[in-house]
Amino acid sequence: ETGVTQTPRHLVMGMTNKKSLKCEQHLGHNAMYWYKQSAKKPLELMFVYNFKEQTENNSVPSRFSPECPNSSHLFLHLHTLQPEDSALYLCASSPTGGPHYEQYFGPGTRLTVT
Amino acid sequence: AQKITQTQPGMFVQEKEAVTLDCTYDTSDQSYGLFWYKQPSSGEMIFLIYQGSYDEQNATEGRYSLNFQKARKSANLVISASQLGDSAMYFCAMSGADGLTFGKGTHLIIQP
Repeated sequence: ETGVTQTPRHLVMGMTNKKSLKCEQHLGHNAMYWYKQSAKKPLELMFVYNFKEQTENNSVPSRFSPECPNSSHLFLHLHTLQPEDSALYLCASSPTGGPHYEQYFGPGTRLTVT
Repeated sequence: AQKITQTQPGMFVQEKEAVTLDCTYDTSDQSYGLFWYKQPSSGEMIFLIYQGSYDEQNATEGRYSLNFQKARKSANLVISASQLGDSAMYFCAMSGADGLTFGKGTHLIIQP
């Protein structure tokens, strides 16, 4: 496999469920990111990990919990979500953190909260 | 705080014509990067082109070029000889100390 992969591609969950999104990058990068893309809104940065250390939590509610066990894998654990959390969740990676490296994105997980 | 403004919500362009997508930015950082991404209907964000704040020459990547005017804080994307497959959402983004800040995007539709 190449690039950045995300599973599942589509997820429907109830507000009381617990689920996890998975992201894996095969690019040898050291920084990974979670973004949220809601309809008619710009992409919003949620979390940043650089060399497995979380360096940014962009005021994200605690019902979203990230986990980065190594530089290749990133998870987003979801629990007691709200309908307004329905969105496309995109994972990205870059060689390291910092302003001059392009980020490579996965295909996203389309999440629907019922 | 960083801010990206894309003033064209949608554009219709005839195939083979050149297209300019507008982007202005605001930042107090001295070192930053400017990026353009393409997002087809499938959802994946595809990196197109990068311009560093200290780069004196405009970046080019195949049919894509970035018209960087630092004094005006402008970073417009130019697509030469547009193709039907160029139809997609296009996002301008800026990177600073923490991740990317995206604009709201421009929906480009190429007509035959």
